[in-house]
Amino acid sequence: DVKVTQSSRYLVKRTGEKVFLECVQDMDHENMFWYRQDPGLGLRLIYFSYDVKMKEKGDIPEGYSVSREKKERFSLILESASTNQTSMYLCASSLGVITYEQYFGPGTRLTVT
Amino acid sequence: LAKTTQPISMDSYEGQEVNITCSHNNIATNDYITWYQQFPSQGPRFIIQGYKTKVTNEVASLFIPADRKSSTLSLPRVSLSDTAVYYCLVGDNDGTGGFKTIFGAGTRLFVKA
Repeated sequence: DVKVTQSSRYLVKRTGEKVFLECVQDMDHENMFWYRQDPGLGLRLIYFSYDVKMKEKGDIPEGYSVSREKKERFSLILESASTNQTSMYLCASSLGVITYEQYFGPGTRLTVT
Repeated sequence: LAKTTQPISMDSYEGQEVNITCSHNNIATNDYITWYQQFPSQGPRFIIQGYKTKVTNEVASLFIPADRKSSTLSLPRVSLSDTAVYYCLVGDNDGTGGFKTIFGAGTRLFVKA
């Protein structure tokens, strides 16, 4: 079974802090994704990566950056956390982009106070 | 980018067939349609994917009309454990190596005994 793990299930940070969310997948997938999920808005793509050191902006990249130094690990970085970044963050990976299913991690609920 | 529209919620009873329709009027030629299921406190899980006509697997069927401007997820004989949020996803390669995904806001299905 594909396993996608995220470093924390719950995280509380203060405004202005730098926040790292880590995601690791164990199936040698090429593609990894970061989404945020907010009530009534569904899932929105923040960034995705189709290879090591490669990244592409999704629909809402503002205020975020990512890092992919190793194939199995994809990090989401909030350079200076703000209260409007309080959300559920979901990481996913897939073998391909268009026709391959995405496997999601359990999510990290981030609260910025 | 194709935006998706789904009903916010639906109720059903155990044993009934449930059909959830997703509208994606601006779907592009390269877009595939994918459906995911999400339980509380979990990441979404792939259900089914299609490009046109009908696709069936052990869990569900997906009906896509010729114009592809909508799709219908059909769940046969639902049980209480099918209570979840169902997301319609339209994704495409934007032709520059990038990839955009548009998740709908999801349909909350509640199955009653």
